[in-house]
Amino acid sequence: GENVEQHPSTLSVQEGDSAVIKCTYSDSASNYFPWYKQELGKGPQLIIDIRSNVGEKKDQRIAVTLNKTAKHFSLHITETQPEDSAVYFCAASLTTDSWGKLQFGAGTQVVVTP
Amino acid sequence: GAGVSQSPSNKVTEKGKDVELRCDPISGHTALYWYRQSLGQGLEFLIYFQGNSAPDKSGLPSDRFSAERTGGSVSTLTIQRTQQEDSAVYLCASSLAGLNEKLFFGSGTQLSVL
Repeated sequence: GENVEQHPSTLSVQEGDSAVIKCTYSDSASNYFPWYKQELGKGPQLIIDIRSNVGEKKDQRIAVTLNKTAKHFSLHITETQPEDSAVYFCAASLTTDSWGKLQFGAGTQVVVTP
Repeated sequence: GAGVSQSPSNKVTEKGKDVELRCDPISGHTALYWYRQSLGQGLEFLIYFQGNSAPDKSGLPSDRFSAERTGGSVSTLTIQRTQQEDSAVYLCASSLAGLNEKLFFGSGTQLSVL
């Protein structure tokens, strides 16, 4: 089955700087890669996702890149703000006409210091 | 309601007791998922319901765990004869169409087994 590794486990950045979180996956057939943000005491919230037919996707200060050959994908947050402090999870799955299990990474605790 | 609702938010029980955790998905969402999040860990898939199809129970860790979804809406996760290793946050999510896309998570039930 799919295995997703996520690095780093913790990331401390100065407000205004960029943050990068990297994930690798094992199943080359995986074709869907979402990122979730989890604030303290809340459930994870989808912030961006990418499919395997796309190499990069941006949404304001957030971008995700995908390298299918190397089987890794990354989350980039620019101009970080204190409200970006949270735990971020990457995930991977093979979605077809039937159900494909979404495999999550272990998470990255991001702390943005003013 | 506007989001996925889980109850109770916190549950403390004694080892060996049975517990029931409830999830009210977003109205109209056909897919419902249960995940478990242990302290500092990623999200571990437990079970998936999609419409009237047979649920995918492949993530349930033992036969002490079971779940049902009545009328295609509310779901209950039952843990029998709880053990200390069952202590975790149990997260429920729903999505409009299944296939892992755009999951909306509840805030979870924090289960503590003493």
